Amino acid sequence: DADVTQTPRNRITKTGKRIMLECSQTKGHDRMYWYRQDPGLGLRLIYYSFDVKDINKGEISDGYSVSRQAQAKFSLSLESAIPNQTALYFCATTAGDADTQYFGPGTRLTVL
Amino acid sequence: QKEVEQNSGPLSVPEGAIASLNCTYSDRVSQSFFWYRQYSGKSPELIMSIYSNGDKEDGRFTAQLNKASQYVSLLIRDSQPSDSATYLCAVNPGGKLIFGQGTELSVKP
Repeated sequence: DADVTQTPRNRITKTGKRIMLECSQTKGHDRMYWYRQDPGLGLRLIYYSFDVKDINKGEISDGYSVSRQAQAKFSLSLESAIPNQTALYFCATTAGDADTQYFGPGTRLTVL
Repeated sequence: QKEVEQNSGPLSVPEGAIASLNCTYSDRVSQSFFWYRQYSGKSPELIMSIYSNGDKEDGRFTAQLNKASQYVSLLIRDSQPSDSATYLCAVNPGGKLIFGQGTELSVKP
């Protein structure tokens, strides 16, 4: 089984809908991250969490919210989706600053 | 100025050649540096990490770090068509990774 899983893998929705993307990991790491990827822009950090009680905004948090339900689960919500949130979303986890970040398979979100 | 800058490419090299990928960063407190490879439609995977000035070699890959010049590079020797992918440079200034926009590499048979 994959160490980092994301659901759904693909989602098409309409403007104004609320969407939740879920991430689970079995690596036992405390740190979890949400990124979005747009063509030519690399990965941009949306939110990150160092433990269940710690949530931090990344460089592009506007329009998004997160919930860290447990050490292993970190969800990303779009309260009212808009077309420019169409992107590939990745969840990642790591043990520390000098350690590898392990990425989930990604969720391709399309907002019409 | 972006915190981490890479040439977007595409960079095209013939099979067997050396591919050279470059990255500059702006935050001088950064201590950890990473190169990730991403195939189209897939998630990034780590290929090299480097923390000290100088070179670090792993098989066909060599990472080079120069903190004074705020520069990180990745050399791929004996490039293979399977190396064709986007290479992402990432820098950790503390607690989070900052990625460059990626360099697309194409290795022609």
